[in-house]
Amino acid sequence: SQQGEEDPQALSIQEGENATMNCSYKTSINNLQWYRQNSGRGLVHLILIRSNEREKHSGRLRVTLDTSKKSSSLLITASRAADTASYFCATDASGANSKLTFGKGITLSVRP
Amino acid sequence: DVKVTQSSRYLVKRTGEKVFLECVQDMDHENMFWYRQDPGLGLRLIYFSYDVKMKEKGDIPEGYSVSREKKERFSLILESASTNQTSMYLCASSAAGTGKKETQYFGPGTRLLVL
Repeated sequence: SQQGEEDPQALSIQEGENATMNCSYKTSINNLQWYRQNSGRGLVHLILIRSNEREKHSGRLRVTLDTSKKSSSLLITASRAADTASYFCATDASGANSKLTFGKGITLSVRP
Repeated sequence: DVKVTQSSRYLVKRTGEKVFLECVQDMDHENMFWYRQDPGLGLRLIYFSYDVKMKEKGDIPEGYSVSREKKERFSLILESASTNQTSMYLCASSAAGTGKKETQYFGPGTRLLVL
């Protein structure tokens, strides 16, 4: 079953605008990760945030984590057409032998 | 850079055929994973492996088997392909670290069509 649920399912914005994507999950986690997938390709890791962290930055990416609400958000600032892709959150659940559980993804379209 | 390669980008097979999907990683990663990706369902884990000759079932192992004879290679086998196994198959690997599997590195995917 899906651990992460992304919201919205699809997002269309103009180049230069910010894109905010949300992820909610159900059980406690070690860390939460965001991945990007360009059409027809494999996934690429973007950023990881651990359960004891609240915010993390990487270039134009900002991710937040609220463990009390079991939710995370990914913000892409000053979006570019090249950011057009599907974005997935993945949770690494607490406990031994954990593995990543992916959500269904968000389709982001950035209009030039 | 980590490189994960998959033997085919596109594959067309007939119902009942035995299908082998190969995945090779060049970063000496302990962990390897096979997922399938379908529209509206996201990524679902089929099998994973934490070491050579070791395998564990994921969420949807039915109709699949795997083989890991060497650390760098993880094979997914469809013993008798069926049309409902038409999908995009993604292989991934990650390093072991204090018992936690963190960043996964993905191959480009194999789009399998079973007729």
